[in-house]
Amino acid sequence: AQTVTQSQPEMSVQEAETVTLSCTYDTSESDYYLFWYKQPPSRQMILVIRQEAYKQQNATENRFSVNFQKAAKSFSLKISDSQLGDAAMYFCAYRSGYSGNTPLVFGKGTRLSVIA
Amino acid sequence: EAGVAQSPRYKIIEKRQSVAFWCNPISGHATLYWYQQILGQGPKLLIQFQNNGVVDDSQLPKDRFSAERLKGVDSTLKIQPAKLEDSAVYLCASSLGLNRAANSPLHFGNGTRLTVT
Repeated sequence: AQTVTQSQPEMSVQEAETVTLSCTYDTSESDYYLFWYKQPPSRQMILVIRQEAYKQQNATENRFSVNFQKAAKSFSLKISDSQLGDAAMYFCAYRSGYSGNTPLVFGKGTRLSVIA
Repeated sequence: EAGVAQSPRYKIIEKRQSVAFWCNPISGHATLYWYQQILGQGPKLLIQFQNNGVVDDSQLPKDRFSAERLKGVDSTLKIQPAKLEDSAVYLCASSLGLNRAANSPLHFGNGTRLTVT
């Protein structure tokens, strides 16, 4: 079974600074996807960024980027120019790519605080 | 397009009572997931449906939890009797369930927060 580990229960960052959230995973599959989700107090799971395992290039979405190290099974999220609205729980998630009805496997999350 | 709808938004019950949650997925989505998210943890899959059939319910505590998706559209999750440790947010998600995961992203509802006293 696949597992996802987030070793940082809480992180904080000054507004406008950069922060990196860590994630490692364990799998024997070769076709998979990795995600970062943001969950504000509203509880809505918001997709931040997605990485396909077969792509060597790291995904970027505006201020959000990942460092995908496939051999090390590491998938960290970097948030640049942090904003107050970035404060939330962040979850790393894994999904098998072999079919269209595979579930997401989540890590335990990292609570990010942004200090004004 | 309308998103995944869940109700109620909040529910408070006493232990040993029963409770039901409802989920209406996005129209046309064949796959439906129920997740349990205990405070301070990541969501854990309880059960997955493909149309009206169960794909995976290996982590569903079947002595007290049940779920159905009779017509392959909306779904209900029931707990009877509830325990204190069932206090959590229950998230519903849906996807098209097409041939590859790339073509079938998960869409989440806002969840139901259950408090068992």
